[in-house]
Amino acid sequence: DVKVTQSSRYLVKRTGEKVFLECVQDMDHENMFWYRQDPGLGLRLIYFSYDVKMKEKGDIPEGYSVSREKKERFSLILESASTNQTSMYLCASSLWGNPPNTEAFFGQGTRLTVV
Amino acid sequence: DQQVKQNSPSLSVQEGRISILNCDYTNSMFDYFLWYKKYPAEGPTFLISISSIKDKNEDGRFTVFLNKSAKHLSLHIVPSQPGDSAVYFCAALAGGGSYIPTFGRGTSLIVHP
Repeated sequence: DVKVTQSSRYLVKRTGEKVFLECVQDMDHENMFWYRQDPGLGLRLIYFSYDVKMKEKGDIPEGYSVSREKKERFSLILESASTNQTSMYLCASSLWGNPPNTEAFFGQGTRLTVV
Repeated sequence: DQQVKQNSPSLSVQEGRISILNCDYTNSMFDYFLWYKKYPAEGPTFLISISSIKDKNEDGRFTVFLNKSAKHLSLHIVPSQPGDSAVYFCAALAGGGSYIPTFGRGTSLIVHP
Protein backbone atom coordinates (compact mmCIF):
# COMPACT_ATOMS: atom_id res chain seq x y z
CA ASP A 1 0.00 0.00 0.00
CA VAL A 2 1.12 3.53 -0.79
CA LYS A 3 1.88 5.46 2.32
CA VAL A 4 2.21 9.20 2.55
CA THR A 5 3.11 10.36 6.03
CA GLN A 6 2.93 13.90 7.31
CA SER A 7 5.03 14.63 10.37
CA SER A 8 2.30 16.25 12.48
CA ARG A 9 -1.48 15.94 12.69
CA TYR A 10 -1.91 19.19 14.63
CA LEU A 11 0.35 22.20 15.01
CA VAL A 12 -0.06 25.51 16.79
CA LYS A 13 2.43 28.23 15.90
CA ARG A 14 2.82 31.91 16.66
CA THR A 15 2.63 34.69 14.10
CA GLY A 16 6.06 35.34 12.58
CA GLU A 17 7.47 31.90 13.33
CA LYS A 18 9.15 29.84 10.63
CA VAL A 19 7.18 26.62 10.22
CA PHE A 20 8.25 23.37 8.61
CA LEU A 21 5.75 20.76 7.44
CA GLU A 22 7.33 17.47 6.47
CA CYS A 23 6.01 14.79 4.15
CA VAL A 24 7.46 11.38 3.31
CA GLN A 25 6.21 8.83 0.76
CA ASP A 26 7.36 5.24 0.44
CA MET A 27 6.30 4.34 -3.12
CA ASP A 28 9.14 5.91 -5.11
CA HIS A 29 6.74 8.42 -6.69
CA GLU A 30 8.26 11.14 -8.81
CA ASN A 31 5.54 13.74 -8.20
CA MET A 32 4.83 15.34 -4.85
CA PHE A 33 2.35 18.07 -4.03
CA TRP A 34 1.32 20.40 -1.25
CA TYR A 35 -2.30 21.53 -1.08
CA ARG A 36 -4.25 23.48 1.48
CA GLN A 37 -7.91 22.87 2.19
CA ASP A 38 -10.17 25.63 3.41
CA PRO A 39 -13.96 25.54 3.87
CA GLY A 40 -15.75 26.45 0.66
CA LEU A 41 -12.49 26.69 -1.29
CA GLY A 42 -11.65 23.03 -1.80
CA LEU A 43 -8.07 21.90 -2.37
CA ARG A 44 -5.73 24.55 -3.68
CA LEU A 45 -2.26 23.71 -4.96
CA ILE A 46 0.60 25.51 -3.23
CA TYR A 47 3.66 23.85 -4.77
CA PHE A 48 4.49 20.82 -6.83
CA SER A 49 7.70 18.87 -7.47
CA TYR A 50 8.32 16.29 -10.19
CA ASP A 51 11.89 15.43 -9.25
CA VAL A 52 14.56 15.98 -6.62
CA LYS A 53 15.45 19.67 -6.31
CA MET A 54 12.74 20.58 -8.85
CA LYS A 55 9.78 22.69 -7.81
CA GLU A 56 6.94 24.48 -9.53
CA LYS A 57 4.58 27.10 -8.10
CA GLY A 58 0.96 26.19 -7.82
CA ASP A 59 -2.03 28.49 -7.56
CA ILE A 60 -1.23 30.05 -4.17
CA PRO A 61 2.55 29.98 -3.52
CA GLU A 62 2.81 33.34 -1.79
CA GLY A 63 4.19 33.06 1.72
CA TYR A 64 5.42 29.51 1.17
CA SER A 65 8.52 27.76 -0.06
CA VAL A 66 9.39 24.09 -0.53
CA SER A 67 12.37 21.80 -0.43
CA ARG A 68 12.94 18.43 -2.07
CA GLU A 69 16.43 17.15 -1.32
CA LYS A 70 15.47 13.48 -1.49
CA LYS A 71 12.94 11.76 -3.72
CA GLU A 72 10.82 10.52 -0.84
CA ARG A 73 10.64 13.76 1.13
CA PHE A 74 8.91 17.05 0.34
CA SER A 75 8.90 19.87 2.86
CA LEU A 76 6.65 22.91 2.98
CA ILE A 77 8.05 26.00 4.68
CA LEU A 78 6.11 28.96 5.96
CA GLU A 79 8.79 31.63 6.11
CA SER A 80 6.90 33.86 8.54
CA ALA A 81 3.61 32.36 9.63
CA SER A 82 0.52 34.54 9.52
CA THR A 83 -3.01 33.97 10.78
CA ASN A 84 -4.34 33.65 7.22
CA GLN A 85 -2.20 30.55 6.86
CA THR A 86 -4.30 28.74 9.42
CA SER A 87 -5.56 25.79 7.42
CA MET A 88 -5.48 22.05 6.75
CA TYR A 89 -2.35 21.19 4.77
CA LEU A 90 -2.32 18.07 2.63
CA CYS A 91 0.67 16.40 1.04
CA ALA A 92 0.24 14.02 -1.89
CA SER A 93 2.36 11.95 -4.24
CA SER A 94 1.85 10.28 -7.61
CA LEU A 95 3.67 8.52 -10.39
CA TRP A 96 4.97 10.49 -13.34
CA GLY A 97 3.45 9.47 -16.66
CA ASN A 98 0.12 8.87 -18.32
CA PRO A 99 -2.97 7.64 -16.51
CA PRO A 100 -4.18 5.24 -15.30
CA ASN A 101 -2.35 4.43 -12.09
CA THR A 102 -1.22 8.02 -11.69
CA GLU A 103 -3.80 9.05 -9.14
CA ALA A 104 -2.51 11.10 -6.23
CA PHE A 105 -2.24 9.52 -2.79
CA PHE A 106 -2.67 11.82 0.16
CA GLY A 107 -1.29 12.00 3.65
CA GLN A 108 -3.56 12.36 6.66
CA GLY A 109 -3.20 16.13 6.73
CA THR A 110 -1.75 18.66 9.15
CA ARG A 111 -4.15 21.05 10.85
CA LEU A 112 -2.07 24.21 11.38
CA THR A 113 -3.30 27.00 13.60
CA VAL A 114 -1.38 30.28 13.65
CA VAL A 115 -2.11 32.45 16.67
CA ASP B 1 -11.00 31.22 -12.35
CA GLN B 2 -12.29 27.78 -11.43
CA GLN B 3 -11.55 25.15 -14.04
CA VAL B 4 -13.35 22.41 -12.10
CA LYS B 5 -16.68 23.32 -10.54
CA GLN B 6 -18.85 21.50 -8.07
CA ASN B 7 -21.82 23.79 -7.78
CA SER B 8 -23.60 21.94 -4.98
CA PRO B 9 -21.82 22.45 -1.65
CA SER B 10 -23.99 19.84 0.02
CA LEU B 11 -26.36 16.98 -0.69
CA SER B 12 -28.64 15.07 1.66
CA VAL B 13 -29.94 11.61 0.73
CA GLN B 14 -31.87 8.84 2.43
CA GLU B 15 -30.12 5.53 3.02
CA GLY B 16 -30.77 3.11 0.17
CA ARG B 17 -31.51 5.82 -2.38
CA ILE B 18 -29.25 7.08 -5.16
CA SER B 19 -26.75 9.88 -4.58
CA ILE B 20 -25.75 11.93 -7.62
CA LEU B 21 -22.83 14.30 -7.34
CA ASN B 22 -22.10 16.63 -10.23
CA CYS B 23 -18.97 18.25 -11.61
CA ASP B 24 -18.38 20.62 -14.52
CA TYR B 25 -15.10 21.63 -16.11
CA THR B 26 -13.99 24.33 -18.50
CA ASN B 27 -10.55 23.24 -19.71
CA SER B 28 -10.73 21.18 -22.92
CA MET B 29 -7.24 19.83 -22.24
CA PHE B 30 -8.46 17.75 -19.31
CA ASP B 31 -8.39 14.11 -20.40
CA TYR B 32 -8.70 12.17 -17.15
CA PHE B 33 -11.06 12.64 -14.25
CA LEU B 34 -11.11 11.32 -10.71
CA TRP B 35 -13.32 11.35 -7.67
CA TYR B 36 -11.92 11.47 -4.16
CA LYS B 37 -13.69 10.95 -0.86
CA LYS B 38 -12.64 12.77 2.29
CA TYR B 39 -13.63 12.19 5.89
CA PRO B 40 -13.03 14.93 8.49
CA ALA B 41 -9.46 15.11 9.81
CA GLU B 42 -8.23 12.65 7.16
CA GLY B 43 -6.63 13.02 3.75
CA PRO B 44 -8.68 12.41 0.59
CA THR B 45 -8.73 8.88 -0.75
CA PHE B 46 -9.08 7.94 -4.39
CA LEU B 47 -12.48 6.50 -5.27
CA ILE B 48 -12.93 6.08 -9.01
CA SER B 49 -11.67 7.54 -12.27
CA ILE B 50 -12.57 7.82 -15.93
CA SER B 51 -10.63 8.50 -19.09
CA SER B 52 -11.96 10.98 -21.64
CA ILE B 53 -12.20 8.16 -24.19
CA LYS B 54 -14.95 6.54 -22.12
CA ASP B 55 -18.36 7.73 -21.04
CA LYS B 56 -18.92 5.41 -18.09
CA ASN B 57 -16.91 3.55 -15.48
CA GLU B 58 -18.31 1.34 -12.73
CA ASP B 59 -16.84 0.03 -9.51
CA GLY B 60 -19.32 -1.69 -7.26
CA ARG B 61 -21.83 0.85 -5.95
CA PHE B 62 -19.99 3.72 -7.64
CA THR B 63 -20.42 4.76 -11.27
CA VAL B 64 -18.93 7.80 -12.95
CA PHE B 65 -20.47 9.19 -16.13
CA LEU B 66 -18.69 11.58 -18.48
CA ASN B 67 -20.34 13.83 -21.05
CA LYS B 68 -17.46 15.40 -22.95
CA SER B 69 -19.58 17.62 -25.16
CA ALA B 70 -21.19 19.17 -22.08
CA LYS B 71 -17.92 19.12 -20.10
CA HIS B 72 -19.82 17.43 -17.30
CA LEU B 73 -19.30 14.39 -15.15
CA SER B 74 -21.30 12.84 -12.37
CA LEU B 75 -20.77 10.28 -9.63
CA HIS B 76 -23.64 7.94 -8.83
CA ILE B 77 -23.73 5.99 -5.59
CA VAL B 78 -26.32 3.23 -5.47
CA PRO B 79 -27.49 2.32 -2.90
CA SER B 80 -26.28 5.07 -0.60
CA GLN B 81 -25.11 4.07 2.88
CA PRO B 82 -24.51 6.16 6.01
CA GLY B 83 -20.79 5.37 5.74
CA ASP B 84 -20.76 7.23 2.42
CA SER B 85 -21.25 10.49 4.32
CA ALA B 86 -18.15 12.49 3.44
CA VAL B 87 -16.92 15.32 1.25
CA TYR B 88 -16.47 14.29 -2.38
CA PHE B 89 -13.97 16.07 -4.58
CA CYS B 90 -13.93 15.97 -8.35
CA ALA B 91 -10.47 16.30 -9.91
CA ALA B 92 -9.22 16.62 -13.47
CA LEU B 93 -5.88 15.97 -15.13
CA ALA B 94 -4.41 17.48 -18.29
CA GLY B 95 -1.70 15.78 -20.30
CA GLY B 96 1.98 16.68 -20.40
CA GLY B 97 3.61 14.20 -18.09
CA SER B 98 3.13 15.86 -14.72
CA TYR B 99 -0.62 15.37 -14.55
CA ILE B 100 -1.20 17.82 -11.72
CA PRO B 101 -4.71 17.29 -10.29
CA THR B 102 -7.01 20.29 -10.35
CA PHE B 103 -9.74 19.93 -7.75
CA GLY B 104 -13.24 21.25 -7.39
CA ARG B 105 -14.46 22.75 -4.11
CA GLY B 106 -16.15 19.58 -2.99
CA THR B 107 -19.67 18.42 -2.19
CA SER B 108 -20.58 17.33 1.31
CA LEU B 109 -22.79 14.24 1.14
CA ILE B 110 -24.93 13.28 4.13
CA VAL B 111 -26.71 9.94 3.99
CA HIS B 112 -29.47 9.67 6.58
CA PRO B 113 -30.35 6.27 8.09
